[in-house]
Amino acid sequence: GEDVEQSLFLSVREGDSSVINCTYTDSSSTYLYWYKQEPGAGLQLLTYIFSNMDMKQDQRLTVLLNKKDKHLSLRIADTQTGDSAIYFCAEIAYSGAGSYQLTFGKGTKLSVIP
Amino acid sequence: NAGVTQTPKFRVLKTGQSMTLLCAQDMNHEYMYWYRQDPGMGLRLIHYSVGEGTTAKGEVPDGYNVSRLKKQNFLLGLESAAPSQTSVYFCASSSSYNEQFFGPGTRLTVL
Repeated sequence: GEDVEQSLFLSVREGDSSVINCTYTDSSSTYLYWYKQEPGAGLQLLTYIFSNMDMKQDQRLTVLLNKKDKHLSLRIADTQTGDSAIYFCAEIAYSGAGSYQLTFGKGTKLSVIP
Repeated sequence: NAGVTQTPKFRVLKTGQSMTLLCAQDMNHEYMYWYRQDPGMGLRLIHYSVGEGTTAKGEVPDGYNVSRLKKQNFLLGLESAAPSQTSVYFCASSSSYNEQFFGPGTRLTVL
């Protein structure tokens, strides 16, 4: 079955760049996602990348996709204390009957040190 | 638009009690989902629906039932709650297989 792996913790200093890594197993995934969860809140879609892309940049966020190694990364430039949250990597897979399901990683808790 | 709302926000149950969690969305989305989130486990799909009147099992469906009688609502039921169902429950909806919008979550404790 599908599996998404990510490291559980990352700690960076304010102003530095953060890089959160993720590996996935389903080579047929068409989209890969990064979600952000702040304490006590639901998940918010940060960005996503289509499988035929290698890179996507959106302001301070850069997503890199290595399809050969099934590796996805999220880089946050100039990390701020407001970026402290749990970041989930997710891949989408066709589950039959015209429906798709997201498979989430366990989440990486990013702590930003002032 | 309110987006995705969940009722209640918090609930404490005793083992064996039943309850229903309500999810509502005002975006006219076809797809709706129920997830549970446990420490160190990420999000796991319980049940989902691809349209009004349809439901399907996800990764961890045992002990839960769902209904989608109206397009905007997706109900998650626990017939006989167990301590293992202590979790945070998230509902989500989407118009296609792309972006899912999440509700704020329901924190359930089963004693």
